[in-house]
Amino acid sequence: KNEVEQSPQNLTAQEGEFITINCSYSVGISALHWLQQHPGGGIVSLFMLSSGKKKHGRLIATINIQEKHSSLHITASHPRDSAVYICAVPNAGGTSYGKLTFGQGTILTVHP
Amino acid sequence: NAGVTQTPKFQVLKTGQSMTLQCAQDMNHEYMSWYRQDPGMGLRLIHYSVGAGITDQGEVPNGYNVSRSTTEDFPLRLLSAAPSQTSVYFCASSAPLGGGDTDTQYFGPGTRLTVL
Repeated sequence: KNEVEQSPQNLTAQEGEFITINCSYSVGISALHWLQQHPGGGIVSLFMLSSGKKKHGRLIATINIQEKHSSLHITASHPRDSAVYICAVPNAGGTSYGKLTFGQGTILTVHP
Repeated sequence: NAGVTQTPKFQVLKTGQSMTLQCAQDMNHEYMSWYRQDPGMGLRLIHYSVGAGITDQGEVPNGYNVSRSTTEDFPLRLLSAAPSQTSVYFCASSAPLGGGDTDTQYFGPGTRLTVL
């Protein structure tokens, strides 16, 4: 079973700061997911990446397959970015087939 | 598309009662999964399905049953509710039939269950 470690568990920032959240996993994978869970509870997929880097607006995700490590960056953070950010990988490595193992999540709070 | 829908949104049960949490998706996805989310534990896989008629256990299957008679629906049954099953339950789907992106996950809004 893939083991996932996320850090930090809690992160507080001032509006405008650059944010980095880290994720490490133990078994080689086909793709890694970054998810966002808002205070209301809904979970949305932010990124799915298998190599290199992806960018959506102010969010950037990178992955190093050899080191089994991924980072999620938020540039120019805003209070609306306050949420829980969750990293997820295929349960047994390889392709997920709908089975994921999740990190414990990073609670991000951005103050105005 | 409605995406992934779950009912009910909230439920309170007494110990020993049974119930079914409903999950449906209208994206013609092959893979469907049930997860539970507990404070400090993250999301954990209960059961999953790779297609109609095919289901298998995840990490924490005890006390739960599933079936997948159609592509669209994947209900989760609590056989005899226990306080340890108090949690938030999420259904997810992925992998459209006919090919394409097989990995992007779509989550339902969740069901918050309390067992007294």
